[in-house]
Order: sequence, then C-alpha cells, then structure tokens
Amino acid sequence: QVRLVESGGGVVQPGRSLRLSCAASGFRFSSHAIHWVRQAPGKGLEWVSVISYDGSDKYYADSVKGRFTISRDNSKNTLYLQMNSLRAEDTAIYYCASPIAGIAAAAIPYWGQGTLVTV
Amino acid sequence: SYVLTQPPSVSVAPGQTATIPCGGNRGKSVHWYQQRPGQAPVLVVFDDIDRPSGIPERFSGSNSGNTATLTISRVEAGDEADYYCQVWDSSSDHWVFGGGTKLAVL
Repeated sequence: QVRLVESGGGVVQPGRSLRLSCAASGFRFSSHAIHWVRQAPGKGLEWVSVISYDGSDKYYADSVKGRFTISRDNSKNTLYLQMNSLRAEDTAIYYCASPIAGIAAAAIPYWGQGTLVTV
Repeated sequence: SYVLTQPPSVSVAPGQTATIPCGGNRGKSVHWYQQRPGQAPVLVVFDDIDRPSGIPERFSGSNSGNTATLTISRVEAGDEADYYCQVWDSSSDHWVFGGGTKLAVL
C-alpha cells in the first residue's frame, strides 16, 4: 500500500536552515508528482510546493518562494524540502502528499503523518 | 488568484444533514478533505462529486457556478472534524485551500 513517511523536523532558530525528507513506498514514485503541504498550529492547510515526476518542474507558494527548495531522488524514492532563512511563521506540521495517478493537479488521497517544524 | 471561502463553523444534530459551502471556485473542480484532530487530512470527495473507495455514501458533493458544496447526510458523532475544499489554480500551478469549516455535531 502507499506509504509516505516524513522526517527531519525539529526546533530551529529564526534565520537557520532545515531539510525535510519524505520516504515513499508502495507505488511508482518516479512517475508521480509530489506536494508539500503545511499546517500551522491551530490553522488551516497551506500548500507549499510541488515537483514533477522527474524533477524538471517545481512550483512554490509565494510565502516560501526564494527560501525553500523542493527536490527528489527517484533512485531513493525520496522527496526533500530544503528550508532556508526560516521564520517564526514557518512553524507548522509539514506533510508530503501524493495525488491521484501522480498528476499534480489531481486530488490527494495519500498523505504522510507529517513532521513538525518549530522556528 | 483564487480565494476559497468557507464558513468557519457548521453545527448539526446527529441524524440530520450538514451542508458546507465553498465559494469562489470559478467553476473549477473541487476536492474535499476531512481532518480530525491530530490526524492527516483524508480525501472524502474529489472532482466535485466522486467518492474514494471506503468513503461512506453519506458524503456527497456538488458544484454549481461559483460555489461547491459538501453534503453529509445522516450525520454521526464521528463526522465531527474540520473540512477543507481545494482547487488547482492552473494559471499558476498552485493548489488553493479554503480556510476550513469545523463541523460540530450537537
């Protein structure tokens, strides 16, 4: 079955960096676009970024553009989110999420359990 | 860009029908997620009206013009959760989420 496991969260000071990972299994990772979505404490869902199946296309929310970088290693079935110049408002649970048929615009039936980042 | 508007809260008695609107979708297909406290979101309706396998038929969706609606029939205590609508903004390749609606079962 599809499994997404995030890691790398923790407590970090403002201005510092952190890299999140998302290990995927149970599906053809190299054929799927993957998203990062975050949720600040007590707040709603906020889309962060998406990467195409081969890593050639990447898109970001305005709130993180220029500070966060999404990447993937298809040989390791792993998605990454490099977060630089972190701010207090980046404090959130970060989820990786896989859409139906791996199509970026499709709905998301598969979510990880999330990893908490506290700035 | 899209702004999806949802009421902050909806209250309903057990056995009754809950309706949660999502305004501002400009006719785009809408997906709906249920999120219980401390858990990851769960897809309950996609492409306006379709249900993933395992989601009860009590959950249904509709989309007319600029407003989509999630309807939960015969509401149960276990349906108490936050519900989010979502669309894909193809002009910027961004997802957009509504602000979320907390469903309270009285």
